[in-house]
Amino acid sequence: EAGVTQFPSHSVIEKGQTVTLRCDPISGHDNLYWYRRVMGKEIKFLLHFVKESKQDESGMPNNRFLAERTGGTYSTLKVQPAELEDSGVYFCASSPRRGYGTDTQYFGPGTRLTVL
Amino acid sequence: GQQLNQSPQSMFIQEGEDVSMNCTSSSIFNTWLWYKQDPGEGPVLLIALYKAGELTSNGRLTAQFGITRKDSFLNISASIPSDVGIYFCAGQLPQGGSEKLVFGKGTKLTVNP
Repeated sequence: EAGVTQFPSHSVIEKGQTVTLRCDPISGHDNLYWYRRVMGKEIKFLLHFVKESKQDESGMPNNRFLAERTGGTYSTLKVQPAELEDSGVYFCASSPRRGYGTDTQYFGPGTRLTVL
Repeated sequence: GQQLNQSPQSMFIQEGEDVSMNCTSSSIFNTWLWYKQDPGEGPVLLIALYKAGELTSNGRLTAQFGITRKDSFLNISASIPSDVGIYFCAGQLPQGGSEKLVFGKGTKLTVNP
């Protein structure tokens, strides 16, 4: 069974440009999460989808970030316009069903975003 | 917001030595998790703890969920070179349907052969 995949693995863009990150969760997983790790800091939650609905978007930094999960399969995270402080590694994770702390979140390899 | 204090930040040890790292929080959690991240990969779950006081082992790894629900530790016995990586603790307190993880800053482990 394929794990969580993310594309691209690396992205280098200039301040003010737009970048779109993609996550393909494990097939059949209803829950999809986005996290971000800025250099030297902790991995921070951004948002949580249950199927195509946003369950919790309390971690989204500001309105330059837009996440979608049309059809409840893959998800995209768009940053527009990108700022220097957006640099970091963006992780996607998925879990199989709606539970309460009992479902393991499986992480993808991450997308390393560098904004110059 | 909720924060986890993970220590130490980094460790340099000799192969065969035991390792201990811990996480504390001012908030309670219902679940404590320990993840390991290898270079270029995402975090991989090592151990999950669901009950206060629970002690769980996974091979050479042992972790405990503190009685107060505000702390956890991870021990690695007889370290080997492939234990190298970054170890993260994470807490989970499902509220209103949100199952987000709150992570510590990580402990970077280096094992010298």
